[in-house]
Amino acid sequence: GNSVTQMEGPVTLSEEAFLTINCTYTATGYPSLFWYVQYPGEGLQLLLKATKADDKGSNKGFEATYRKETTSFHLEKGSVQVSDSAVYFCALHGRNFNKFYFGSGTKLNVKP
Amino acid sequence: EPEVTQTPSHQVTQMGQEVILRCVPISNHLYFYWYRQILGQKVEFLVSFYNNEISEKSEIFDDQFSVERPDGSNFTLKIRSTKLEDSAMYFCASRIGGTGTDTQYFGPGTRLTVL
Repeated sequence: GNSVTQMEGPVTLSEEAFLTINCTYTATGYPSLFWYVQYPGEGLQLLLKATKADDKGSNKGFEATYRKETTSFHLEKGSVQVSDSAVYFCALHGRNFNKFYFGSGTKLNVKP
Repeated sequence: EPEVTQTPSHQVTQMGQEVILRCVPISNHLYFYWYRQILGQKVEFLVSFYNNEISEKSEIFDDQFSVERPDGSNFTLKIRSTKLEDSAMYFCASRIGGTGTDTQYFGPGTRLTVL
């Protein structure tokens, strides 16, 4: 079946620290992979995406590389800010299915 | 930039009552979705809608749920007789269509509280 597994949170970092949030997936076919972010009290916003193996999605200093050999799409940022505090969701969406499968979300807390 | 809008932002209702959650998808989008997120849990797919009919629904989407696009702009989710366990954040999403990899754009959500 199709599923997404994310590392459990919360993740607490100091400002300017390096961030990694792990995401692995199982899927039939060749899915596209996404990271969505949910700031407190708000909805889901697309952060970045990658549509095929070895693609790198990037936005706002965040990046993630679609690794087919390890079925992973880990989110990274070199230097986090307090404003990055949010819940991050990894998701997949494929050509053969018409919906998203989301991970359970990882809460990030960044301390000044 | 066009965005998906949802109303109300927060709905409080009594168990057994009917609720209608409203969404206005992006105007040239063809595919519409409802998802829900129970507090602290993952976002779950409920239903997808295309060409004025349901294209897929999950196990959660039972006979108590229905969707409608009544006027070409709104997309509604109705829960006929709410239960306590329907309390969740409900997200509407839309995508333009064309290929299965198009990004879905999400609204800000409606928080439903069933008392």
